[in-house]
Amino acid sequence: QAVLTQPASLSASPGASASLTCTLRSGINVGTYRIYWYQQKPGSPPQFLLRYKSDSDKQQGSGVPSRFSGSKEASANAGILLISGLQSEDEADYYCMIWHSSAWVFGGGTKLTVL
Amino acid sequence: EVQLLESGGGLVQPGGSLRLSCAASGFTFSSYAMSWVRQAPGKGLEWVSSIGGGGVNTYYADLVKGRFTVSRDNSKNTLYLQMNSLRADDTAVYYCAKSPGMTSDGFDVWGQGTMVTVSS
Repeated sequence: QAVLTQPASLSASPGASASLTCTLRSGINVGTYRIYWYQQKPGSPPQFLLRYKSDSDKQQGSGVPSRFSGSKEASANAGILLISGLQSEDEADYYCMIWHSSAWVFGGGTKLTVL
Repeated sequence: EVQLLESGGGLVQPGGSLRLSCAASGFTFSSYAMSWVRQAPGKGLEWVSSIGGGGVNTYYADLVKGRFTVSRDNSKNTLYLQMNSLRADDTAVYYCAKSPGMTSDGFDVWGQGTMVTVSS
């Protein structure tokens, strides 16, 4: 089982909100990890969006709009990237990442379609 | 403006070697950890290696341990990745990425990447 699991795809309408999940493998407690989120558009390198551990331990990427926010769902053992007020320019691949067992681990990525 | 410019990619035969470079500018290079992250064609991101700001602490993904070596020359503001015993599954775009601090704490700036193709 992968350390981080993300749904392969997600679709949402312009103006709506999208909740992207990053589920940690059983036995790895989401509460103890900083979760990092990256956005990647076709043909471009990834861009740092934000990192989230708790409301007192979080950081927004430089220039990243506040409509991108992070949270956790402890019951699901998952990190969440919430994008509100979806815009067409938000269509991209989104990756989560954690530092686990002395290695950076990425999720498989979620392709977000805005239509 | 913070900039990272990778170079050194290309076509190499299986079993061959290649050295990637990442020239940094716009920040005090020695004060930040740096990393390499790769992305195979059509696939997701995969962390390869990280190095602390002082160049002493290094970390590797299991898949490359013993074959790849990360290093840095703080006097030249340059990060390196020496890749030996290359395999077809090392084919990817290799990105250089900067951490927000002396130790690795995620990646806040990425280069444009350099393509490495391992094929006979």
